[in-house]
Amino acid sequence: GAVVSQHPSRVICKSGTSVKIECRSLDFQATTMFWYRQFPKQSLMLMATSNEGSKATYEQGVEKDKFLINHASLTLSTLTVTSAHPEDSSFYICSAREHRGRGSYNEQFFGPGTRLTVL
Amino acid sequence: RKEVEQDPGPFNVPEGATVAFNCTYSNSASQSFFWYRQDCRKEPKLLMSVYSSGNEDGRFTAQLNRASQYISLLIRDSKLSDSATYLCVVVTNTGNQFYFGTGTSLTVIP
Repeated sequence: GAVVSQHPSRVICKSGTSVKIECRSLDFQATTMFWYRQFPKQSLMLMATSNEGSKATYEQGVEKDKFLINHASLTLSTLTVTSAHPEDSSFYICSAREHRGRGSYNEQFFGPGTRLTVL
Repeated sequence: RKEVEQDPGPFNVPEGATVAFNCTYSNSASQSFFWYRQDCRKEPKLLMSVYSSGNEDGRFTAQLNRASQYISLLIRDSKLSDSATYLCVVVTNTGNQFYFGTGTSLTVIP
């Protein structure tokens, strides 16, 4: 399958700081990238859908000013958690859908995730 | 009502057993369905797509029942390596909204 990378894999930060997470599709072009959050023993919760060159679409209950998403190219989307607080500590996973070609249209390829801990 | 409902388990089964998971969905217009596998502290990986006609991949069989709005995953001859959390995924007819079940935890015991 296609490869998606995320950086960093783990980050620990102080409360009030901002953290940027990068999601890259390494061998394909992704018109759409998705950002998920997963708390322990829970399922993935979609936070937002990011389309290249346009504003992200946020799910209900997700603050767009707190979770800034930028999808500047077909291979890169970033999620910035602004003024992070301990309750933002979670596993953040991105996924990408290929522009064309391999896999079914709706297949998503997931990044390895970023574990954020806010002290 | 949740978009996708899934029994979280856990399912603890002996090696060689057959185990089945179900997942129900609420939107009758849903378009695509998948089963993903997630190992502890890792990202989900696609296990298989689910088609109306049903599909089989080795020991794994996935089925879709549109009338009753559920999908199922059957694992035959369970292996220790099958231990993981299995997530069902339902995609809306717009194609842009993916809804994950809470995941079903499976542990295969020697």
